[in-house]
Amino acid sequence: GDSVTQMEGPVTLSEEAFLTINCTYTATGYPSLFWYVQYPGEGLQLLLKATKADDKGSNKGFEATYRKETTSFHLEKGSVQVSDSAVYFCALAAYSGNTPLVFGKGTRLSVIA
Amino acid sequence: GAGVSQSPSNKVTEKGKDVELRCDPISGHTALYWYRQRLGQGLEFLIYFQGNSAPDKSGLPSDRFSAERTGESVSTLTIQRTQQEDSAVYLCASTARGHGNEKLFFGSGTQLSVL
Repeated sequence: GDSVTQMEGPVTLSEEAFLTINCTYTATGYPSLFWYVQYPGEGLQLLLKATKADDKGSNKGFEATYRKETTSFHLEKGSVQVSDSAVYFCALAAYSGNTPLVFGKGTRLSVIA
Repeated sequence: GAGVSQSPSNKVTEKGKDVELRCDPISGHTALYWYRQRLGQGLEFLIYFQGNSAPDKSGLPSDRFSAERTGESVSTLTIQRTQQEDSAVYLCASTARGHGNEKLFFGSGTQLSVL
């Protein structure tokens, strides 16, 4: 079945460092891809998405590009802030659109001042 | 309400007891999901409700798990005869259209600990 694999955490960075969180997927057809974020004490919320190959999703300075050739959707940010400390989840929605979202395990990011 | 509300936020129970978890979705959202996340694991789909259609129970791990939802309102997830492996964070999410609308709105979850 469809699956998502993301890098193990936790990731600890200093403020203004560059962030990459790797995500790869296995799916039939052409899934849509997402990053969700969970800030401390809050529910998961959609951060960005991409629905077809070579699309770039972006939000709040974060970016991820849908790479079909490498089945990847890595999350990047050029300069992280303490407020970016959270757990990040990569997810996919099957092309058929009739199954629930499939999530990765989550990667905890801690940014220190 | 303004967001998805789950209660209780934490629940500690003894092995063999029954527990009931509650989810209040966003008003007007027809679709409701339950997921769980065990330590070190990804979110695991449990059950999906869409309007008045029969729920998709394909993710329920055993017959000790059941869930109900009346119309487009509150949902309860019941775990009977809890086991230690049931310890997890149980997450509820709602959305306006269900599958195909990927913007799920999640609650903060219920942390269940079975001793």
